[in-house]
This record gives sequence, C-alpha cells and structure tokens, in this order.
Amino acid sequence: SAVISQKPSRDICQRGTSLTIQCQVDSQVTMMFWYRQQPGQSLTLIATANQGSEATYESGFVIDKFPISRPNLTFSTLTVSNMSPEDSSIYLCSAEGNFGPGTRLLVL
Amino acid sequence: GQNIDQPTEMTATEGAIVQINCTYQTSGFNGLFWYQQHAGEAPTFLSYNVLDGLEEKGRFSSFLSRSKGYSYLLLKELQMKDSASYLCAVPDSNYQLIWGAGTKLIIKP
Repeated sequence: SAVISQKPSRDICQRGTSLTIQCQVDSQVTMMFWYRQQPGQSLTLIATANQGSEATYESGFVIDKFPISRPNLTFSTLTVSNMSPEDSSIYLCSAEGNFGPGTRLLVL
Repeated sequence: GQNIDQPTEMTATEGAIVQINCTYQTSGFNGLFWYQQHAGEAPTFLSYNVLDGLEEKGRFSSFLSRSKGYSYLLLKELQMKDSASYLCAVPDSNYQLIWGAGTKLIIKP
C-alpha cells in the first residue's frame, strides 16, 4: 500500500496569505485526493487530482481558492489561497485508501 | 443518493468487546472501508471488505452483509489506546470514498 508524506506538518499563517501543501507518494498512483477536516467534524473531500488533467472540485470548493497541481504520478500540491480564520483545519492527502499525516493549519 | 449511517458515540469498558455498526445505501458497491482516527491525527486504514462475511485481523474484525447494506467493526479485549473515532467509508461509482460521520469510541477503565 502507498506510503504518503506531507509537508509542512503544521503552520500558523496570517489572514490574506497563501500556503502550499505538498504531498508525496512512494509509488505511482492514478488518483490523489485532498481532504479537509475541521475540528470535531468528519472528512470533507476538496478535490480529486489526476495527473495530466485539471483537478475535479467538490461542491463548495473552487480552483481559485484551492489551486491544485499534479505534475506527475507521485506528487501533488494544494494551495490554500487568501486565507481566513475559517480555513483553519487539518488538510489531508490520500491515495489508494491511505492518508498522509496531515497538515495542521491555523490562520490568525 | 448515497448515505452512510453510524452511531455518533459509544462507550465501552477496558477489556470488553464493542461492535460498531455501519449501514449504507449506494448506487453500486465497490467494497467498504473502516478507518481509525485518533484526535488530531490522520485516519489509518483498518479493513476493507468486498465479500460477505467476517474478516478477522487480530483484535479487530470486520463483517459485511451486502444484501443488508450493513457492516460492523468488532473490537475485542479493548485497550485504552482504542479510544478514537472509527470511520466507515464506501467508494462511489468513481471510486471516491463517501464517508460516514464517524463513531467516537470512549473506553473507560
């Protein structure tokens, strides 16, 4: 099964700035998924990232706010743009049923 | 539509057995996943059932009945470290996981 790493593991950011989260998989995977999980809530899928095509966003999430890159079959990035305190959450990368350790984001 | 139901919270005693149920309605069926998630951490994979029956893996077992749209996760010899949320998930027709809200399991001494 895929082993997934993410960085940064956590960050504290100022309102209005952007943060790019990186996700690395130790094997080639077709689909990579980006989730958000706010405190006490279940996982919410942000988008699905396929190599060589535009990411597919779920309802309530748009590319301008959460641009995604998928340059190859082992790597993806998620950017949280123009952040507000409501973006404070854990952001998780997933592939083949496994999850990265998550990125804990706090926006002040 | 697709829907997954599981209890919000359960309490059990250390050393005992607990069964966490999950019911689902999906347009197709591509298996059912169980994950464990400790507070503040990423979910970790526990089991994947695609055929009916019970699959045992150490202290944890998972059961599936496709005809009933029902699964359960059975935890034996409970330990304090088993206090966590347990998430049931099923892939949709595009193999994207549809998640239950999770069952928070509280273990008491």
